[in-house]
Amino acid sequence: QLQVQESGPGLAKPSETLSLTCTVSGGSINTRGFHWGWLRQSPGRGLEWIGSISYSGNTHNNPSLNSRVTVSADMSKNHFFLKLRSATAADTATYFCARHATSDFWSGFDPWGQGTLVTVSS
Amino acid sequence: QSALTQAASVSGSLGQSISISCSGTSSDIGGHDYVSWYQQHPGKAPKLMIYEVTNRPSGVSGRFSGSKSGNTASLTISGLQAEDEADYFCSSYSSSGIPHVIFGGGTRLTVL
Repeated sequence: QLQVQESGPGLAKPSETLSLTCTVSGGSINTRGFHWGWLRQSPGRGLEWIGSISYSGNTHNNPSLNSRVTVSADMSKNHFFLKLRSATAADTATYFCARHATSDFWSGFDPWGQGTLVTVSS
Repeated sequence: QSALTQAASVSGSLGQSISISCSGTSSDIGGHDYVSWYQQHPGKAPKLMIYEVTNRPSGVSGRFSGSKSGNTASLTISGLQAEDEADYFCSSYSSSGIPHVIFGGGTRLTVL
């Protein structure tokens, strides 16, 4: 059964880079047709898609965050990563990684990781 | 980007059927068949219940169904059970500007 799990620091300082790792088990992230994404949820902003990476390494980000976001992957370790630059308090949220539900990029996300809370504060 | 619009709360009695609506525009719900619905219990991750407007992932109860009319999508839950009490979020592909995914603000379902 495919599972995804977020990990990383629970605290980031303002203006610095927020970095998270998603570990995939029960499947390979370079399996043709699959895409892998990052999302976040906060009381103020609700649920928000951040960006995704495909099995081929192509990336696609939310245009509202695109200038600050890098999604990358280490296929050999079955991990993918999120870097969010110039963090502010508004980036405080629970961050989730997920697989896209089907080979169609826009079909939705399934499954999701349990989420990890990241607080941006000095 | 505009979020999709959902009612903040809805309630129903055990065994009843309820519908949760999600309003968007012709750039998202109305123009594309990429509406998905998620169930989220407190402290848990969202769970996909419906994708591509009407499709149920394997393992999701047949009591959950999705539909769309114009710029509004709906999630219907029949035969309400206590474990259905949760937050429900809609999501859609948006072609407004650079393509992206948008979410609704969520609807809290209370089972009476």
